[in-house]
Amino acid sequence: GQQVMQIPQYQHVQEGEDFTTYCNSSTTLSNIQWYKQRPGGHPVFLIQLVKSGEVKKQKRLTFQFGEAKKNSSLHITATQTTDVGTYFCAGNYGQNFVFGPGTRLSVLP
Amino acid sequence: GAGVSQTPSNKVTEKGKYVELRCDPISGHTALYWYRQSLGQGPEFLIYFQGTGAADDSGLPNDRFFAVRPEGSVSTLKIQRTERGDSAVYLCASSLVGGSTYNEQFFGPGTRLTVL
Repeated sequence: GQQVMQIPQYQHVQEGEDFTTYCNSSTTLSNIQWYKQRPGGHPVFLIQLVKSGEVKKQKRLTFQFGEAKKNSSLHITATQTTDVGTYFCAGNYGQNFVFGPGTRLSVLP
Repeated sequence: GAGVSQTPSNKVTEKGKYVELRCDPISGHTALYWYRQSLGQGPEFLIYFQGTGAADDSGLPNDRFFAVRPEGSVSTLKIQRTERGDSAVYLCASSLVGGSTYNEQFFGPGTRLTVL
């Protein structure tokens, strides 16, 4: 079946340090989405990547989609305390979505 | 504008009981998804509706789970003979369109189901 893995599971950084989470699918994806979930909240959409090798930036966030459309990454430059939360990738296989287990980011001030 | 709403926000029931969870998607959104999320895990796909029909129900764990969307708007997730393992947060999401097109999902706040 379709599986989406994410590493690391947890990441603790000092404010101002960079952060990266990696997402891997067992099979080729139609597209991939990234979500952020704050503690006690619900997932909030960040971005969708569709094209092979696509790179998108949102301020301090950089998203990449692999050439084979099986992996993706989210990089945050100079983390801030407002970046705290769990980051999920969600692989789209045409109809349904398979979410990864998430990377929980904590930022120490 | 109104986002996705879910009721109830919390539901406590006893093992063996029947429960219904309701989702009101954003007006005009044709796609609706149900997920469940256990503590410390990612949302687990249950079912996807495109309009009134279930386009993909491959995530429903067994025949105790059933969902409907009779008019292509509000959806109800129904769980029969609840078990303690059904305890989780049930999330609903809607998007303007579904399938593999651009389909940003807007999530509701979830219903926390506790089966005693």
